Amino acid sequence: EAQVTQNPRYLITVTGKKLTVTCSQNMNHEYMSWYRQDPGLGLRQIYYSMNVEVTDKGDVPEGYKVSRKEKRNFPLILESPSPNQTSLYFCASSLALSSYEQYFGPGTRLTVT
Amino acid sequence: TQLLEQSPQFLSIQEGENLTVYCNSSSVFSSLQWYRQEPGEGPVLLVTVVTGGEVKKLKRLTFQFGDARKDSSLHITAAQTGDTGLYLCAGWVGSGYALNFGKGTSLLVTP
Repeated sequence: EAQVTQNPRYLITVTGKKLTVTCSQNMNHEYMSWYRQDPGLGLRQIYYSMNVEVTDKGDVPEGYKVSRKEKRNFPLILESPSPNQTSLYFCASSLALSSYEQYFGPGTRLTVT
Repeated sequence: TQLLEQSPQFLSIQEGENLTVYCNSSSVFSSLQWYRQEPGEGPVLLVTVVTGGEVKKLKRLTFQFGDARKDSSLHITAAQTGDTGLYLCAGWVGSGYALNFGKGTSLLVTP
């Protein structure tokens, strides 16, 4: 089954404790991205990757890091999480840029206390 | 940067009614997509429009891309309770690499 998986689905952590949210796709997609979704602000892109070892900042990259060492995986790293990073996070992938369907993962709800 | 403005933000209607939601921008989009998101899930693509003036129909849903490729609309005929959800428009500006999303229209259809 074609899918994007994220782990964990739910995470409660404390300020400053490094964490990684994993994302994996099994569709051989080149383009992957991370979004955060907040009430009243909608979906905002954090980082995206056009291929292995090629990443770039989206609209809200501060406080986040990503890596793309393999085509299928695109982890999101929060090295020192803060309460303002409490949000719902989505990973997405698509075959290529522009006009192609974005396949979204099920989301990770992160709470930073 | 919020390039896409959606309206209305919230919409509550009864089953059988028609409705239209709008997605507007001052920027020209090379293509525009509509997604639907249900609670606890990621957005799912409904349609992609590419050509200015394009109209696409998906059963009771009709999507239109403005002639100038700056706006789009989604019309639902005879809404059903299963249409309840968050409707998001999203698009690429020119040859940009970042996908821009509107804030969404939250639709509630009651029996």
